[in-house]
Amino acid sequence: GAGVSQTPSNKVTEKGKYVELRCDPISGHTALYWYRQSLGQGPEFLIYFQGTGAADDSGLPNDRFFAVRPEGSVSTLKIQRTERGDSAVYLCASSPQVSNTDTQYFGPGTRLTVL
Amino acid sequence: QKEVEQDPGPLSVPEGAIVSLNCTYSNSAFQYFMWYRQYSRKGPELLMYTYSSGNKEDGRFTAQVDKSSKYISLFIRDSQPSDSATYLCAMSAAAGKSTFGDGTTLTVKP
Repeated sequence: GAGVSQTPSNKVTEKGKYVELRCDPISGHTALYWYRQSLGQGPEFLIYFQGTGAADDSGLPNDRFFAVRPEGSVSTLKIQRTERGDSAVYLCASSPQVSNTDTQYFGPGTRLTVL
Repeated sequence: QKEVEQDPGPLSVPEGAIVSLNCTYSNSAFQYFMWYRQYSRKGPELLMYTYSSGNKEDGRFTAQVDKSSKYISLFIRDSQPSDSATYLCAMSAAAGKSTFGDGTTLTVKP
């Protein structure tokens, strides 16, 4: 079946602009995760959802970052007043539920470039 | 200092070699240990998952966890050119949030 999809695959924006990144998880997966991966580094946890609610948003770097999952399926990561330091690949993953024994399936990521 | 340290390499080996990849960590609360493989411009893919200390084998891959030393390893036997990728270790203390190493880039030459 279909895996995790993320749109757009690439996004170029100017400093100060607002961006939205979309994640479509695997159908039926209740847990959804956002990570950020900078060049040469591993993924850095941002937030995860169990259903519609954000169960842990401790990784969001500041209040410019916000994520929603209103119907418990698709999620949108929103970044306000983008800065050049926000440039990275934003990865989304989903799993059947929030569990250490459930595999997190990653999407291909959205490559964000802030000029 | 990062919670999870991983030698970035790069690591280059001939086809058929045994590859050893390692991570150290500082957070004694970590209980769950994972190895991911990531190809260029792709998302990470889970290879191995281990709970607490011990060994786990899956085909050509063996994962080892030594919690007393806060040290984990991934061994790849009979390495193939298709194994060329970045290998990421990841750990978690509880369900949900994983902490990743920065990855080791591996090239297996035919």
